[in-house]
Amino acid sequence: GEDVEQSLFLSVREGDSSVINCTYTDSSSTYLYWYKQEPGAGLQLLTYIFSNMDMKQDQRLTVLLNKKDKHLSLRIADTQTGDSAIYFCAEGGGSYIPTFGRGTSLIVHP
Amino acid sequence: DVKVTQSSRYLVKRTGEKVFLECVQDMDHENMFWYRQDPGLGLRLIYFSYDVKMKEKGDIPEGYSVSREKKERFSLILESASTNQTSMYLCASLAGNRGYEQYFGPGTRLTVT
Repeated sequence: GEDVEQSLFLSVREGDSSVINCTYTDSSSTYLYWYKQEPGAGLQLLTYIFSNMDMKQDQRLTVLLNKKDKHLSLRIADTQTGDSAIYFCAEGGGSYIPTFGRGTSLIVHP
Repeated sequence: DVKVTQSSRYLVKRTGEKVFLECVQDMDHENMFWYRQDPGLGLRLIYFSYDVKMKEKGDIPEGYSVSREKKERFSLILESASTNQTSMYLCASLAGNRGYEQYFGPGTRLTVT
């Protein structure tokens, strides 16, 4: 079955860049997503990328997709303490039901 | 502004009680989902519904049932709550024809004692 893998924790200093990585197995994935979950809240879509794109940039966020290696990354430039959250990678393929990774807890130190 | 609401943010129930978790969306979405979230395990799909009165099992349906009598409302039922059902429960909805973005509710933290 489909599988989405991501590391569980990432710790960075405020002002540095954060890079969260994700790998997936479903080669038919059409959409790949990054969701953000702040403490005590539900998930909120941060950004997404179509499978026919290599890169998408949105202000401080850069998503890179290597379809050959089935690798997705999210880069947050100038990371702030408000970026501390859990980040979920998800892929949507033939089924409209996305498959989520386990989430990466980003901890930003002052 | 799209909205998914859940009936309770926090709930404490006793073992063996019947528990209802309700979710309402105001976006006229066809699809609705119930997940549970546990530390280190991420989101696991319990049930989903693609239309009124329709339901499909997800990855971990055991011990749960669902009800979708109206398009906007999707209920999760724990027939006899057990301590291993202590968890965060997240509801989500999804339009059938506008991409794959799911909209999530704020979650219900259920504790079964």
